[in-house]
Amino acid sequence: AQSVTQLGSHVSVSEGALVLLRCNYSSSVPPYLFWYVQYPNQGLQLLLKYTTGATLVKGINGFEAEFKKSETSFHLTKPSAHMRDAAEYFCAVEKRWTARQLTFGSGTQLTVLP
Amino acid sequence: GAGVSQSPSNKVTEKGKDVELRCDPISGHTALYWYRQSLGQGLEFLIYFQGNSAPDKSGLPSDRFSAERTGGSVSTLTIQRTQQEDSAVYLCASSSPAYEQYFGPGTRLTVT
Repeated sequence: AQSVTQLGSHVSVSEGALVLLRCNYSSSVPPYLFWYVQYPNQGLQLLLKYTTGATLVKGINGFEAEFKKSETSFHLTKPSAHMRDAAEYFCAVEKRWTARQLTFGSGTQLTVLP
Repeated sequence: GAGVSQSPSNKVTEKGKDVELRCDPISGHTALYWYRQSLGQGLEFLIYFQGNSAPDKSGLPSDRFSAERTGGSVSTLTIQRTQQEDSAVYLCASSSPAYEQYFGPGTRLTVT
């Protein structure tokens, strides 16, 4: 069975500071990996995904993530936080070649301080 | 084109009543998913439809939950005899094969 662990349910950074949101997965086969963002009272929006190829993936709004197989990690980063980045972020995995439902982490609430 | 839409956006119901939640996927998307988001359980998969194949119901929490997808498009999630633990946001997503899932805004269900 797959599982996803997001370290830190709440992360606070100052505006302009580095954002680092951690995600580790457990799976017998490296899965497809996703980061989604959820703004208050809205659905989930895809930030970026990794399926194959280059392990450093760039997404929308200046975010990027790096797949590290040896560490079973897919951490999300952004060099400089903006106030508008305040939201909840979810890491998710999808099992390759089989059922396509997503397994989500518990989420990380990002607060950006002025 | 339009994204995934869900209705109603909010639903308050009394314990024991049945409710129906609707999802309109993106036109042309063959796959449709229902998820539930609650404070205690986070985001959980409920059910998955792909084309004309039998749905994957492995995530449904009890036999009070059911879903159908008519004509390969609109889907309805039905919860019978609602309980307070059913209170959650119900999210629908759709996708084309091998592409990412696009989520709707959700239906917030409150069971009183």
